[in-house]
Amino acid sequence: NAGVTQTPKFRILKIGQSMTLQCTQDMNHNYMYWYRQDPGMGLKLIYYSVGAGITDKGEVPNGYNVSRSTTEDFPLRLELAAPSQTSVYFCASSRSGGGVTEAFFGQGTRLTVV
Amino acid sequence: AQSVTQLDSHVSVSEGTPVLLRCNYSSSYSPSLFWYVQHPNKGLQLLLKYTSAATLVKGINGFEAEFKKSETSFHLTKPSAHMSDAAEYFCVVRPSWGGATNKLIFGTGTLLAVQP
Repeated sequence: NAGVTQTPKFRILKIGQSMTLQCTQDMNHNYMYWYRQDPGMGLKLIYYSVGAGITDKGEVPNGYNVSRSTTEDFPLRLELAAPSQTSVYFCASSRSGGGVTEAFFGQGTRLTVV
Repeated sequence: AQSVTQLDSHVSVSEGTPVLLRCNYSSSYSPSLFWYVQHPNKGLQLLLKYTSAATLVKGINGFEAEFKKSETSFHLTKPSAHMSDAAEYFCVVRPSWGGATNKLIFGTGTLLAVQP
């Protein structure tokens, strides 16, 4: 029962490089999210998706892009890495519909931009 | 706008003493509320969630939270702290109306230290 899987776990990037953070879930959840976590700031929403082909910006989308071609996958793209993007990134998913639906989180990707 | 405020950034308790982590939310309607725990260098794990079936919610590892609508609070408690409870705790709200129901809004977290 894998849940939400993120790769890589750690990465060091140089300023200006690009990379893709991978996220996949096997729970058939419609909703998927990308958050970044900075010390003392809680988690801030970068982008989210309510289903394949549908994405929308969260609170802090600048410098990032996403796509959602399948229900399972929700990659996050950094095009021109900047030191301000040094953070821990979490992918999450939840089911849609009524009721109290919690989110399930991956283990995180720790990114350092130098 | 809906928001959640965790009133303490750090809480330190002795092992065996009670734990209280405070959370207040702002919402025009009754939202869905959650507490998550994050151990060092780990992902987030759900502790408990408010489903509106009962105002006192029991979670894992002996934690409880009480929903008080009149105070717009959802404080997390545990009668007796254990060393393994040392972690960061997040209060989270999911709005219950409008286009924001698909988002989770996080508090800034409370770091719980447990002294031997």
